[in-house]
Amino acid sequence: AQTVTQSQPEMSVQEAETVTLSCTYDTSESDYYLFWYKQPPSRQMILVIRQEAYKQQNATENRFSVNFQKAAKSFSLKISDSQLGDAAMYFCAWRGGATNKLIFGTGTLLAVQP
Amino acid sequence: DTGVSQNPRHKITKRGQNVTFRCDPISEHNRLYWYRQTLGQGPEFLTYFQNEAQLEKSRLLSDRFSAERPKGSFSTLEIQRTEQGDSAMYLCASSFGLRETQYFGPGTRLLVL
Repeated sequence: AQTVTQSQPEMSVQEAETVTLSCTYDTSESDYYLFWYKQPPSRQMILVIRQEAYKQQNATENRFSVNFQKAAKSFSLKISDSQLGDAAMYFCAWRGGATNKLIFGTGTLLAVQP
Repeated sequence: DTGVSQNPRHKITKRGQNVTFRCDPISEHNRLYWYRQTLGQGPEFLTYFQNEAQLEKSRLLSDRFSAERPKGSFSTLEIQRTEQGDSAMYLCASSFGLRETQYFGPGTRLLVL
């Protein structure tokens, strides 16, 4: 069975600094997708970034980028120039290419200090 | 495009009562998903619809749970004879296709007393 592990329950970063959130996963499939979702307090979950496993290039969305290490089954999220609005719970998620359900990690709560 | 909406946002009920939640997906999204999220955990998959057909159900979805998506538009999730263990956030998501990103609604937070 596929699993997603986020080993950092909480992280803290100073405003304008850079922080990296870790995620590892386990799968025997070759066709899959990886996601980072952000869930602010009492607000809905929104997509931060998405990576297709077949793409070697790491995905980037403005201040957010990933380090996708397929052989190591690692998918970390880097947030550059952190802003107060980045404070949220961040979930790493995996989905197989032919399956419908997302499998989530337990999340990392990110605090941004002014 | 107004996003995925869910109603009610909060529900408090007594053990043994029935509750029903509604999800309106993004228009033209043919796939709709239900997840459950308990405190301190990531969401867990419950069930999935493609148009009006319910194509996959998790073992988490006991016989007390039923979901429908009439006409392939909105969906309802009903829990019968609620138990305290049903207390959780119930999330709905939708997507346009299998390989497309799932977009989440704000969730319905259920508290069973």
